[in-house]
Amino acid sequence: RKEVEQDPGPFNVPEGATVAFNCTYSNSASQSFFWYRQDCRKEPKLLMSVYSSGNEDGRFTAQLNRASQYISLLIRDSKLSDSATYLCVVFNSGGYQKVTFGTGTKLQVIP
Amino acid sequence: NAGVTQTPKFQVLKTGQSMTLQCAQDMNHNSMYWYRQDPGMGLRLIYYSASEGTTDKGEVPNGYNVSRLNKREFSLRLESAAPSQTSVYFCASSEAEPIAGGTKETQYFGPGTRLLVL
Repeated sequence: RKEVEQDPGPFNVPEGATVAFNCTYSNSASQSFFWYRQDCRKEPKLLMSVYSSGNEDGRFTAQLNRASQYISLLIRDSKLSDSATYLCVVFNSGGYQKVTFGTGTKLQVIP
Repeated sequence: NAGVTQTPKFQVLKTGQSMTLQCAQDMNHNSMYWYRQDPGMGLRLIYYSASEGTTDKGEVPNGYNVSRLNKREFSLRLESAAPSQTSVYFCASSEAEPIAGGTKETQYFGPGTRLLVL
């Protein structure tokens, strides 16, 4: 089993739709979690951190479920500019600061 | 602040040639990283440096060496390039922030170097 797994997509959704991505992780001791956005041929950029209590930033909501070891990202009222690949990132602290990236989920918002 | 900068942006090498990818950050971060990104594989850690003067191997270190020249700069060297090293290389930096129950490290990435080895 991969350490971090994501559905690669692509998710093709119409403008205005709500779309949700899930990401599962295998290490129960993982400490911090993030969603990054990567546009084509660009570097990954932080979208939001994910906290146990869940957090919201405008149209974006992130949730963490430690018991089931998954994190989710919900995008409401999709815009064309949301088209990108969304990377799930899991961070394990300790003697070796290990960061594991998911392979990403591609989102295409269609007019 | 420029954030994380990388040079060069593009490079074409012949098999066996050597080159150094440069990375610098102006955010005063302690930790720096080198990743490669290949289609369908996601980002994979090559080397990382927790602080000036220290480096450690990541998931895919073979064929690479690194130097943490100072707090700002972290370079990646390919001594004898191979076609399997054709990839997009990203440098990143981070700093630990305390959060409830531990720490959080948010990574900031450079724009990447596209390397083609023929």
